Amino acid sequence: DVKVTQSSRYLVKRTGEKVFLECVQDMDHENMFWYRQDPGLGLRLIYFSYDVKMKEKGDIPEGYSVSREKKERFSLILESASTNQTSMYLCASSYYEKLFFGSGTQLSVL
Amino acid sequence: KNEVEQSPQNLTAQEGEFITINCSYSVGISALHWLQQHPGGGIVSLFMLSSGKKKHGRLIATINIQEKHSSLHITASHPRDSAVYICAVRNMDSNYQLIWGAGTKLIIKP
Repeated sequence: DVKVTQSSRYLVKRTGEKVFLECVQDMDHENMFWYRQDPGLGLRLIYFSYDVKMKEKGDIPEGYSVSREKKERFSLILESASTNQTSMYLCASSYYEKLFFGSGTQLSVL
Repeated sequence: KNEVEQSPQNLTAQEGEFITINCSYSVGISALHWLQQHPGGGIVSLFMLSSGKKKHGRLIATINIQEKHSSLHITASHPRDSAVYICAVRNMDSNYQLIWGAGTKLIIKP
């Protein structure tokens, strides 16, 4: 079974902190994604990557950056966390049309 | 207007009932996904459709490309089917990005 692992299930941070969310997949997938999910809204794409060191902005990249130094790992970085970044963050990888999600990180910024 | 609309937003039914969740979209698509998200959990891919109908156990997904509409049916519903069901479409103009519906929250009462 494909596994997408997110490093933290729950995270509480202070405004202004730098936050790292880590995601690792074990199936050598080229495509990886970071989404945020807020109540009443569909998933919104923050960034995606289709290869090592390659990244593309999604719909809401402001306030975020990403890093993909190795194929299996895709990191989301909040340079200076703000309260409006409190959300569920979901990492995904894909192989052709098949999507695989991590279990999510609920981030609270106080 | 959202490009992907799901209905209903919330659905409560009794165990054993036949369930239908609808997804309408306004863009040209190459594929449509149905996914399931249990409370506090990650997202699991159920179906990917580009035409016709697919069945897996008690779940059936259909798509009508001309009418830009898809339905997810659950036969003999069970409390363990309680989850959020999400529709997402792959825009023909984009290789990587999906457009997501806001989800339908389903509760099946015993």
